[in-house]
Amino acid sequence: DFQMTQSPSSLSASVGDRVTITCQATQDIDKYLSWYQQKPGRAPKLLIYDASNLETGVPSRFSGSGSGTDFTFTISSLQPEDIGTYYCQQYDHLPLTFGGGTKVEFK
Amino acid sequence: QVQLQESGPGLVKPSETLSLTCDVSGYSITSGYYWGWIRQPPGRDLEWIGSVHHSGGTSDNPPLKSRVTISVDTSKNQFSLKLRSVTAADTAVYSCARHGPTILDPFDSWGQGTLVIVSS
Repeated sequence: DFQMTQSPSSLSASVGDRVTITCQATQDIDKYLSWYQQKPGRAPKLLIYDASNLETGVPSRFSGSGSGTDFTFTISSLQPEDIGTYYCQQYDHLPLTFGGGTKVEFK
Repeated sequence: QVQLQESGPGLVKPSETLSLTCDVSGYSITSGYYWGWIRQPPGRDLEWIGSVHHSGGTSDNPPLKSRVTISVDTSKNQFSLKLRSVTAADTAVYSCARHGPTILDPFDSWGQGTLVIVSS
């Protein structure tokens, strides 16, 4: 399987901070990585697909980059509504696999 | 806008079969796309269970494959999950979701998820 290692597992930041999350694949997945946001009690929401493409309607403060095995997700200026858990997922090979999640909290 | 809603028992006895249904609204399953099930046990990672196409073709995660049946009912615009011979390790929040046109596409819409506890 293509294992996804996400870090950090949690972080605390202030409003306006730049937040960066990384996701590393055990094998080359080209650009086939997505990022999701999940708020407590809510369904996950697709934010980024194909490593760097913003899903329609997602604010431009969210961005993604990378290819191959190393990927980065960035929130350029953290907003109060961005609190939640973020997951990466590879869809280059079956079985589909997810990262362990990063919980983003306010300081 | 597509919406997905899981339904089914919240408590299942060990060795029995877990059965869940995902009702899809705002989009016809027969229009295409793959439809999947994902679960998250307490304190553990998201795990893809398997996915189905409206034609009935399926693909399942190998560790679960022998116990999983995923099917689609186009007349009701819903798809279902059956997981046989459950144990406490199958306790999890189960979510249904829509892929893109192929199974190797991200999940662009998700249900809320439903907690299923396996216990006697």
